[in-house]
Amino acid sequence: SQQGEEDPQALSIQEGENATMNCSYKTSINNLQWYRQNSGRGLVHLILIRSNEREKHSGRLRVTLDTSKKSSSLLITASRAADTASYFCATKKGGSEKLVFGKGTKLTVNP
Amino acid sequence: SAVISQKPSRDICQRGTSLTIQCQVDSQVTMMFWYRQQPGQSLTLIATANQGSEATYESGFVIDKFPISRPNLTFSTLTVSNMSPEDSSIYLCSVWTQSDTQYFGPGTRLTVL
Repeated sequence: SQQGEEDPQALSIQEGENATMNCSYKTSINNLQWYRQNSGRGLVHLILIRSNEREKHSGRLRVTLDTSKKSSSLLITASRAADTASYFCATKKGGSEKLVFGKGTKLTVNP
Repeated sequence: SAVISQKPSRDICQRGTSLTIQCQVDSQVTMMFWYRQQPGQSLTLIATANQGSEATYESGFVIDKFPISRPNLTFSTLTVSNMSPEDSSIYLCSVWTQSDTQYFGPGTRLTVL
């Protein structure tokens, strides 16, 4: 079953703007991962954030995790047309080897 | 990290036939995972493949429809049997790394006519 729920389901912005995507989940987790998928291709791993971490950065990406609210956000700063893709969060529960995916956010960055 | 390859990258098949998808990893791993992504949807776990034992299937997926082989620690196959148009999806394999990150193969895009 899907644990994560991303919002918005779709987001359209102009190049240079920031894009924020949110992910909520239902049970306690061990870690949360964000992925990007370009037009039906394979998933590219973006960032892993563990349950004892609150924020991580990687280049133009910033991920936050609030375990009390069971939510995470992915911020892409200074977006580019090449950032156009679907973004998924996925959670791993402690004691489980399974990764459970959210429904994803489809981001369109207009030139 | 892990480098994962899949074959074929895409295929168009007739209903009633079967397709076997191969997944190769560049390092030895205990578990390999198979996911399905239906058009416009997110990823759903089909099964977990362990070397030397039968695969563990998720609810809604059965071995007769999706038989899996795991002959060694770097390779696995997923067969989609007796296909129907509803099986048209992207099929992806994945593995965990020691850094607690799950990496995915490039996917196999299957279209069933």
